[in-house]
Amino acid sequence: GENVEQHPSTLSVQEGDSAVIKCTYSDSASNYFPWYKQELGKGPQLIIDIRSNVGEKKDQRIAVTLNKTAKHFSLHITETQPEDSAVYFCAASISNYGQNFVFGPGTRLSVLP
Amino acid sequence: NAGVTQTPKFRVLKTGQSMTLLCAQDMNHEYMYWYRQDPGMGLRLIHYSVGEGTTAKGEVPDGYNVSRLKKQNFLLGLESAAPSQTSVYFCASSYRADTEAFFGQGTRLTVV
Repeated sequence: GENVEQHPSTLSVQEGDSAVIKCTYSDSASNYFPWYKQELGKGPQLIIDIRSNVGEKKDQRIAVTLNKTAKHFSLHITETQPEDSAVYFCAASISNYGQNFVFGPGTRLSVLP
Repeated sequence: NAGVTQTPKFRVLKTGQSMTLLCAQDMNHEYMYWYRQDPGMGLRLIHYSVGEGTTAKGEVPDGYNVSRLKKQNFLLGLESAAPSQTSVYFCASSYRADTEAFFGQGTRLTVV
């Protein structure tokens, strides 16, 4: 089955700096890669996603890149703000009937003022 | 729009007791999932359903049972709770496997 690894497990950056979180996946059939943000005491919320037919996607300060050949994808946050502090999860999924999401172990991002 | 609602939000059980966690979604999603979240281990899939009347095992199904009698509801049961089942449980739903999954607020379960 699918296995998703995520690095680093913790990340501290100064406000205004960029943050990068990297994930690798094992199943080459995976074709959907979402990123979730989880704030303390809440459920995860989707912040951006990318499909396997796209190499990069951007939404304001957040971008995701995908390298299908190497089977890895990354989350980039620019101009970080204190409210970006949270746990971030990557996931991989296959758009076949009966499949489900596999999540990485998470990255705790701290943005220091 | 409620989205995904989990009940209860908190619960303390004694070892050996049973309980049912309820998940309800109002988005007409086909897929529903139950995850547990433990420190440093991310989200691990317990069971999932790809439609009304269907269920399937995830990564960590032992000690849990589920039912999806109605499309909007997905129930997670613990027949005989154990301290190892102390965790935060999240329910989620999605239209398909390759579309956004919406999560509930979580249920914090403690088994003593």
